[in-house]
Amino acid sequence: DGGITQSPKYLFRKEGQNVTLSCEQNLNHDAMYWYRQDPGQGLRLIYYSQIVNDFQKGDIAEGYSVSREKKESFPLTVTSAQKNPTAFYLCASSIFRVSNQPQHFGDGTRLSIL
Amino acid sequence: GQQVMQIPQYQHVQEGEDFTTYCNSSTTLSNIQWYKQRPGGHPVFLIQLVKSGEVKKQKRLTFQFGEAKKNSSLHITATQTTDVGTYFCAGQRYRGANSKLTFGKGITLSVRP
Repeated sequence: DGGITQSPKYLFRKEGQNVTLSCEQNLNHDAMYWYRQDPGQGLRLIYYSQIVNDFQKGDIAEGYSVSREKKESFPLTVTSAQKNPTAFYLCASSIFRVSNQPQHFGDGTRLSIL
Repeated sequence: GQQVMQIPQYQHVQEGEDFTTYCNSSTTLSNIQWYKQRPGGHPVFLIQLVKSGEVKKQKRLTFQFGEAKKNSSLHITATQTTDVGTYFCAGQRYRGANSKLTFGKGITLSVRP
């Protein structure tokens, strides 16, 4: 089955630690996205990538970093600079076309502070 | 920046009642998408509206795009417990791959059996 796999499902971070969330897709989608979801806040865009080796900041990129070395993979690193990292993180992908395309989401990773 | 608003954030209905929710944008949109997120799950794409005044139906769900392309509505006829979840609208300002989706905060629907 084609889809998006996020791992781990739950992650705990210690103070001053960087952690990396994995996102892999086998849908052959060009574009990939990272969102942060907080209760009552909807989905806020952190970073997105429309092509390999290229990515752009979203609305709340501070304290996060990404890489896009492979089409299938778009890992997100939550750095120690992100002072309030506790949230539900969602990865999504879509076809990259001129017309706007729906996004397909993974099951998410819940990050908490120890 | 572009804002997409959904008010209220929560609504409770009795099973069998109709339900309508609205989505308003601060700017004219190229298109609007609707997603549903079940409790504990991830958002799932429902529909995309592109044309001014467009109406699309999916079984008991009816979606409409406003004439000015700045608002949208979702109407559910005779709600069922399977309709429980959070419904998000998301708008794109420009037609094109570089245009980001801006999500509303969502409306969480609960249905009393």
